[in-house]
Amino acid sequence: AQSVTQPDARVTVSEGASLQLRCKYSYSGTPYLFWYVQYPRQGLQLLLKYYSGDPVVQGVNGFEAEFSKSNSSFHLRKASVHWSDSAVYFCVLSAGSNNRIFFGDGTQLVVKP
Amino acid sequence: NSKVIQTPRYLVKGQGQKAKMRCIPEKGHPVVFWYQQNKNNEFKFLINFQNQEVLQQIDMTEKRFSAECPSNSPCSLEIQSSEAGDSALYLCASSLGRNTEVFFGKGTRLTVV
Repeated sequence: AQSVTQPDARVTVSEGASLQLRCKYSYSGTPYLFWYVQYPRQGLQLLLKYYSGDPVVQGVNGFEAEFSKSNSSFHLRKASVHWSDSAVYFCVLSAGSNNRIFFGDGTQLVVKP
Repeated sequence: NSKVIQTPRYLVKGQGQKAKMRCIPEKGHPVVFWYQQNKNNEFKFLINFQNQEVLQQIDMTEKRFSAECPSNSPCSLEIQSSEAGDSALYLCASSLGRNTEVFFGKGTRLTVV
């Protein structure tokens, strides 16, 4: 069965520090993976996506993610976070039939000034 | 930027009342999803459509929930008799199809009092 796991419910970092948010997926086929961000009282906004090719994909606002088939992971990174990055981040898997998408439980990012 | 439009943004209903929300998907997107996001940021799949036809829906949807995506009209999700546990953010999303980017609306926040 398909699933997505984000093991860290909450991550706190200082402004200017580097960031990694972890994501593990479960799917036997070729995964299509996304990271979305959700600000308070907002919908989800796409940060980046991976379909194939270079395992490191670049996204908006300096975010990047690295796909690893061997580790079934798709971790999100940023070299230097800003206070405005504080939000909830979701790792999402598109897989299987019937156009289903599967969400991780989200990671709340708190950036301290 | 997503052009999935959801209305209303906020909806307050008494228990037992009918609650209806609407969604206009991105132009040209044949696939539409409805998800329920609870206060713990967990997403629950409700139903999805492809070209107005239901692809998949969960059992909960079959009982009190109904949804449709008629051609040339907004999609809608209706709860026939609202319960306190239905209080959540209801997100509509659309895509071109399997394994493509999913665009989300800002959601309808339903509060059942």
